[in-house]
Amino acid sequence: AQSVTQLGSHVSVSEGALVLLRCNYSSSVPPYLFWYVQYPNQGLQLLLKYTSAATLVKGINGFEAEFKKSETSFHLTKPSAHMSDAAEYFCAAELINTGRRALTFGSGTRLQVQP
Amino acid sequence: EADIYQTPRYLVIGTGKKITLECSQTMGHDKMYWYQQDPGMELHLIHYSYGVNSTEKGDLSSESTVSRIRTEHFPLTLESARPSHTSQYLCASSYDGGTEAFFGQGTRLTVV
Repeated sequence: AQSVTQLGSHVSVSEGALVLLRCNYSSSVPPYLFWYVQYPNQGLQLLLKYTSAATLVKGINGFEAEFKKSETSFHLTKPSAHMSDAAEYFCAAELINTGRRALTFGSGTRLQVQP
Repeated sequence: EADIYQTPRYLVIGTGKKITLECSQTMGHDKMYWYQQDPGMELHLIHYSYGVNSTEKGDLSSESTVSRIRTEHFPLTLESARPSHTSQYLCASSYDGGTEAFFGQGTRLTVV
């Protein structure tokens, strides 16, 4: 069974510091991978996605993620955190070559940005 | 901007009542989903649909039911609400594999 693991339920950084949110997947075939952001009392908004093209994916708001097959990882980074980046971030995966095509989500990482 | 709408946004209802959470999308997506999310927690897939007259149960067992009579509409029904159903319910839709899923704003349900 596929799973998505996000290391660290809470991450706190200072404004201007590097943001690194970790995500690992477990499936023999690399899935499609996504990062979503959720602000309080809102739905989810797509930050970026990996669909077997370039391994370094750039998204909105200055975020990017690198797919590493050898590490089964898809970590999210941003060089310089802004206060407005404070939110919940979810990594998600969609299995390829299966009958079921729906997103499986990680448990989420709450990002706090300190002034 | 995503064209997927959920109503109501907030609902407080008594135990034993029947409720229907509405979800509609205007993007022509074949695939639609319902996720359940407790505050600060991960999303759990409870129902999904590949198209009209197609519905499947997700990973998390749920007493709710869904229907897909029209492409754009995917309502979720609870025949008899209980306090354990208190949660946030998120609807989403997408084209086929590898494409972005668009999410509604969610319905926060409280059963008292």
